[in-house]
Amino acid sequence: EAEVAQSPRYKITEKSQAVAFWCDPISGHATLYWYRQILGQGPELLVQFQDESVVDDSQLPKDRFSAERLKGVDSTLKIQPAELGDSAMYLCASSFRDSSYNEQFFGPGTRLTVL
Amino acid sequence: GQQLNQSPQSMFIQEGEDVSMNCTSSSIFNTWLWYKQDPGEGPVLLIALYKAGELTSNGRLTAQFGITRKDSFLNISASIPSDVGIYFCAGSWGGADGLTFGKGTHLIIQP
Repeated sequence: EAEVAQSPRYKITEKSQAVAFWCDPISGHATLYWYRQILGQGPELLVQFQDESVVDDSQLPKDRFSAERLKGVDSTLKIQPAELGDSAMYLCASSFRDSSYNEQFFGPGTRLTVL
Repeated sequence: GQQLNQSPQSMFIQEGEDVSMNCTSSSIFNTWLWYKQDPGEGPVLLIALYKAGELTSNGRLTAQFGITRKDSFLNISASIPSDVGIYFCAGSWGGADGLTFGKGTHLIIQP
């Protein structure tokens, strides 16, 4: 069964360091999303791509976060410098192109701990 | 950002019991989705709803899209131990928009 792949699964870093997360969506899914999930909360959208273009990054803290999807397939989310408040689960999701029904499929996530 | 209101926050039930949980919003949604998340894993899609009043089943799970388009309900019949987890509702205004999630209902089953 097709799945969204993410790596690493866990990341521990010290504040002020740079971290990067990778996501490979389900094959054929043109839309890719990055969400952040704080413990005890639901996921919140950070950035959305349609192919290689950013569709919505209104909730992305652009002073320290960046995201790219250069060839319209896999994607990287970067934080530089990391802060204590960035500790969270970072989830990647994908959906089929032109989906009117918006069924999004999530990867296993990357659990980030900032010390 | 906005989050949907899910209730109850947690449920302690006996194996075999039926479960009901709901989700409300101050805004109208065109799509409602229900996900289950196990500890340390990503959410898994359970049911998707696309029309007001729609009732959809997936095995022992049944969900409904409220007539007002501002709420949704999820029922689980004859709960089993593997139903343990956190259940999230999510709403979408349409197209490929990002989802707005609730805070989750934590289901705990006592054997």
